[in-house]
Amino acid sequence: SQKIEQNSEALNIQEGKTATLTCNYTNYSPAYLQWYRQDPGRGPVFLLLIRENEKEKRKERLKVTFDTTLKQSLFHITASQPADSATYLCALPARRGNTPLVFGKGTRLSVIA
Amino acid sequence: NAGVTQTPKFRVLKTGQSMTLLCAQDMNHEYMYWYRQDPGMGLRLIHYSVGEGTTAKGEVPDGYNVSRLKKQNFLLGLESAAPSQTSVYFCASSYSGFSYEQYFGPGTRLTVT
Repeated sequence: SQKIEQNSEALNIQEGKTATLTCNYTNYSPAYLQWYRQDPGRGPVFLLLIRENEKEKRKERLKVTFDTTLKQSLFHITASQPADSATYLCALPARRGNTPLVFGKGTRLSVIA
Repeated sequence: NAGVTQTPKFRVLKTGQSMTLLCAQDMNHEYMYWYRQDPGMGLRLIHYSVGEGTTAKGEVPDGYNVSRLKKQNFLLGLESAAPSQTSVYFCASSYSGFSYEQYFGPGTRLTVT
């Protein structure tokens, strides 16, 4: 089964800077990878999906990259704002084929004004 | 659209008691999921369903049962609650297929004493 590693410690960043979060996986390269945002006391909210044949995906201030050689996805938030403070989770298929997702433990981002 | 709703929001059980958590979605989604989230463990899949009348085990199914008698509802049962089942439970749904974005409910905080 796939293992996911995300920055286990919280990430503190100054408002206006670019936040970069890392998601590493250890086994096979998945066909796709998803990123979610979770605020305290609430359920995760889907942000972006990137497929194995896509190097990069953008949505407003968000950018996701997918490097199958490094077995890594990077999640960037440009011009970060205090409202971006949350925990960010990556998720990908637990095994090859059509299987449920496994989620990383998440990285807590704090954007300081 | 209410999206995904969960009932109840909070519950305290004594060891050995039973209860049922209800999840409902109004998006006509085929797939539904039950997760638990514990500090330091991330989201873990308990059971899932790929359509009305079908259920399957996830990563941590022991101690739980589920039913999907109607497409819009997914029930999670605890027959004999244990303190190890103290957690926050999230229900989610997706349109069709594991690669589709998941929509999460607000969660149920369960404490077993």
